[in-house]
Amino acid sequence: DSGVTQTPKHLITATGQRVTLRCSPRSGDLSVYWYQQSLDQGLQFLIQYYNGEERAKGNILERFSAQQFPDLHSELNLSSLELGDSALYFCASSVVDSTRETQYFGPGTRLLVL
Amino acid sequence: QQPVQSPQAVILREGEDAVINCSSSKALYSVHWYRQKHGEAPIFLMILLKGGEQKGHDKISASFNEKKQQSSLYLTASQLSYSGTYFCGTEKKLTSPFAFGTGTKLQVIP
Repeated sequence: DSGVTQTPKHLITATGQRVTLRCSPRSGDLSVYWYQQSLDQGLQFLIQYYNGEERAKGNILERFSAQQFPDLHSELNLSSLELGDSALYFCASSVVDSTRETQYFGPGTRLLVL
Repeated sequence: QQPVQSPQAVILREGEDAVINCSSSKALYSVHWYRQKHGEAPIFLMILLKGGEQKGHDKISASFNEKKQQSSLYLTASQLSYSGTYFCGTEKKLTSPFAFGTGTKLQVIP
């Protein structure tokens, strides 16, 4: 158990819909990262937040948005969902705004778009 | 830009050694290594910083060749528990987007 929690674990929805994925970092971790992993594919970095502010942006679609709240939990919003958005979405947290520190991954949210 | 890993897949017998390489076309600030078992979250193995030393713990170690922008992960005397997909993660600078490699599937058989 990494200490990072993600909800829900599984999500099944239809094309065109909007969903929200939630991540609670480890206690004391200020940085949250979001990743997308499609079936049998590698990890794609989406976005990073540090203490409520966006720090780095990767291959995140305009239909996707994220934020980090004052209590440091983060949400990833996916809208106008397409079949290709089906994937495993991980969040990770680290204690400082530096990748010198370990990134601890949550168990992931498996999204299936039908 | 996504770093390239080689080999794509490897099968080892218990006790054998393996090397996994991670190459980037861009100058790197750091390289991270992760292992992921099927259906599970990636687990951090180690990080190597530009100008840093070779790292390792137990029978897994790694090096970072800054001139070649390449990192290598060394697994010695492999165990069944080493099976999984190994990813390298790279960044060009401290606040740049993190890029994961293409992955190397490692299977250790008895």
